[in-house]
Amino acid sequence: GAVVSQHPSWVICKSGTSVKIECRSLDFQATTMFWYRQFPKQSLMLMATSNEGSKATYEQGVEKDKFLINHASLTLSTLTVTSAHPEDSSFYICSTLPQGAREQYFGPGTRLTVT
Amino acid sequence: AQSVTQPDIHITVSEGASLELRCNYSYGATPYLFWYVQSPGQGLQLLLKYFSGDTLVQGIKGFEAEFKRSQSSFNLRKPSVHWSDAAEYFCAVGNFGNEKLTFGTGTRLTIIP
Repeated sequence: GAVVSQHPSWVICKSGTSVKIECRSLDFQATTMFWYRQFPKQSLMLMATSNEGSKATYEQGVEKDKFLINHASLTLSTLTVTSAHPEDSSFYICSTLPQGAREQYFGPGTRLTVT
Repeated sequence: AQSVTQPDIHITVSEGASLELRCNYSYGATPYLFWYVQSPGQGLQLLLKYFSGDTLVQGIKGFEAEFKRSQSSFNLRKPSVHWSDAAEYFCAVGNFGNEKLTFGTGTRLTIIP
């Protein structure tokens, strides 16, 4: 299967600061990437769909100005949590969808803690 | 809108016993169905998937699942669980042309010796 990496694997930041999370597709080009968040002991909720070279599509209820997504290349998408607050603390997982594929490949996740 | 229900929040089974995790979906057309496993603090690992064809699909680690359209179900089974199977299991549904996945709430599996 495809390999997807995320960096960092965990991060602690102070309230009010911004944090950038990277999602890389290591062995194939991904025109589409997805960002999910997972609260403790809960399921994954899709936040947004990231398409290379175009603006991300956000799910209802997700603030696009707070969760900035950039998909500048076919192998890298970034999620920036701006002005983070403790309620943004969560596990953020990305996935990639190879062109023509029907199966997503997931990254290992990033644990964000906002103090 | 598509949705997934996993009725069992937590299941405990003895090592060596059989396992069945339930998944029911709601979707108007033929769905894509997936089972993922997640260990604590880790990402998701795909166990198996169904797109079309044979309704009984085999996956990794000895897991299998059966798609039953009449019951809108895609239950996961394993004949004999191992202690290493303890994890959180998620069922997910997607569809062709809109590859967004909708996840169930997950079932936590505990294995007792």
